[in-house]
Amino acid sequence: AQSVTQLDSHVSVSEGTPVLLRCNYSSSYSPSLFWYVQHPNKGLQLLLKYTSAATLVKGINGFEAEFKKSETSFHLTKPSAHMSDAAEYFCVVSLEYNFNKFYFGSGTKLNVKP
Amino acid sequence: EAQVTQNPRYLITVTGKKLTVTCSQNMNHEYMSWYRQDPGLGLRQIYYSMNVEVTDKGDVPEGYKVSRKEKRNFPLILESPSPNQTSLYFCASTPSPNSNQPQHFGDGTRLSIL
Repeated sequence: AQSVTQLDSHVSVSEGTPVLLRCNYSSSYSPSLFWYVQHPNKGLQLLLKYTSAATLVKGINGFEAEFKKSETSFHLTKPSAHMSDAAEYFCVVSLEYNFNKFYFGSGTKLNVKP
Repeated sequence: EAQVTQNPRYLITVTGKKLTVTCSQNMNHEYMSWYRQDPGLGLRQIYYSMNVEVTDKGDVPEGYKVSRKEKRNFPLILESPSPNQTSLYFCASTPSPNSNQPQHFGDGTRLSIL
């Protein structure tokens, strides 16, 4: 069985402070991992992806994520939050034995305080 | 402009009245997919299509039908909608059914079934 767990449903940070959004997956197969962002009343936009190349992945808008196989984690980070980062973030897994299916975490809503 | 277009964006209807949500992409993508998004559950895959005339069930296919007669279009059909299908629906596409490829999402369709 496989699953994606986003450990926090809500995260609140102050503008200019670091962001950490946590994601763990469970699978015995090699995954491809993605982070998407969803702004209100919008579709999902890709932030970054991991596909078995470098374990530290850099994405758009200053976000990055590190794939840690031993911890089955793919946490999303950003050194300094901006107000425009306030949105909902989804961790997504696709598995090599059935890459036609995508599994979404339940989402983390990021609030950025002035 | 490369995009995934869903119509309608909003629909309120009644139980049992057949409806179709259209999805069209202009990127010549092979793979298309439908998701529903419900609070606290993230996105769940309804159906996907790997190419013309090739479709398969996702995790929550009950009550839905799809068709893929042309590469660019992937309509979602609710033959007899029920209130538990009230949700936010997203269509997505990727260049090919490969886990390295991220998905491009439409802006969503909010369905309310009374």
